[in-house]
Amino acid sequence: GAVVSQHPSWVICKSGTSVKIECRSLDFQATTMFWYRQFPKQSLMLMATSNEGSKATYEQGVEKDKFLINHASLTLSTLTVTSAHPEDSSFYICSARDFSGIYNEQFFGPGTRLTVL
Amino acid sequence: TQLLEQSPQFLSIQEGENLTVYCNSSSVFSSLQWYRQEPGEGPVLLVTVVTGGEVKKLKRLTFQFGDARKDSSLHITAAQPGDTGLYLCAGRRVNEKLTFGTGTRLTIIP
Repeated sequence: GAVVSQHPSWVICKSGTSVKIECRSLDFQATTMFWYRQFPKQSLMLMATSNEGSKATYEQGVEKDKFLINHASLTLSTLTVTSAHPEDSSFYICSARDFSGIYNEQFFGPGTRLTVL
Repeated sequence: TQLLEQSPQFLSIQEGENLTVYCNSSSVFSSLQWYRQEPGEGPVLLVTVVTGGEVKKLKRLTFQFGDARKDSSLHITAAQPGDTGLYLCAGRRVNEKLTFGTGTRLTIIP
């Protein structure tokens, strides 16, 4: 099946620094990638949708200047958390949609745990 | 606003027992999916249902999509410790994004 990878799998940073998370579709082309955030014991909340070659669409309440998304190729999207603060600590999960599937299936990455000190 | 409410939120049962998890909404979905997520990992797709009234079986797991395509259920027969995890339903409306349910955390006690 289709595989989505994320790097790094976990990161610890100091408050005020920026962190970049990569999401790659390994064996298919993904014109659309999604970024989710999951707080402990909660469900996944969609942050933004990124389409290759265009600006990301952010969900209500998500600061686009804080969470920079770049989808430069059909296999790579990046999420940069700028000037991170402890409240940004969370589990970030990306997902890529495979348009060749019958149900437009989304495949999820393994997640990146961000801890901001 | 969560469009999909799951119940129960938490469930802890003995190995060998049966259980049902519900996913309810007031919205109609073109398709609905069930995922299982283990700690520190991304969600893994279990099944997709698209037709009202559809029933799909995956070994000891039975998934049903409501006739009106507003709700779904997941039934596990003879639960095993390996079934432990966070179960998430997720619905998609036509030309819209996937929306996740509130989640059900299942613990199977050996």
